[in-house]
Amino acid sequence: EIVLTQSPATLSLSPGERATLSCRASQSVTNYLAWYQQKPGQAPRLLIYDASKRATGIPPRFSGSGSGTDFTLTISSLEPEDFAVYYCQQRRRAFGQGTRVDFK
Amino acid sequence: EVQLVESGGGLVEPGGSLRLSCVASGFSFGNYAMNWVRQSPGKGLEWVSVISGTGGSAYYTDSVEGRFAISRDNSQNTLYLQMNNLTVDDSAIYYCAGFTYFEYWGQGALVTVSS
Repeated sequence: EIVLTQSPATLSLSPGERATLSCRASQSVTNYLAWYQQKPGQAPRLLIYDASKRATGIPPRFSGSGSGTDFTLTISSLEPEDFAVYYCQQRRRAFGQGTRVDFK
Repeated sequence: EVQLVESGGGLVEPGGSLRLSCVASGFSFGNYAMNWVRQSPGKGLEWVSVISGTGGSAYYTDSVEGRFAISRDNSQNTLYLQMNNLTVDDSAIYYCAGFTYFEYWGQGALVTVSS
């Protein structure tokens, strides 16, 4: 069973700052890694798939990188609507425990 | 417009059963694997089960194996989750989700297991 560990648990930032979220897999998932954003009371939204491909309609401030066991989601300049919880997912199966991005 | 609409949630006693449904529209449902994902109150996402587009193969997370059964009726564009021998730990919002990755999600169905 592959386990995903996300860090940090919480990221406190201000609008306009850069956010860097990490996801580490217990064994290689090659590039089968996705990122989702979830806001309170809403279903998750796919941001990134195959580690670095933006889903339809996702703005370019969101980018993904990595392969094997170490992955990163970067939000280049936080907009107010980006404050949310972010999850990584491996091979269309297990999710990480999430990283909350909140206002500093 | 793509829509996934879940139904069938509710309150059930421990040991009871429920069947969730998810009706899809706006895409070629039968061409894509579909999943159930759950989220307990205030907790993270947990992948529960997946079924192939034809319905010929299905997989489950360990905690529901042998108790839950996923199925689909492609003629009705409907995904199902039969949940038996429910425990309090199964209480959650259950989402259907799928497409090539998990591009499409329903609004969720709340399942509460309590005596």
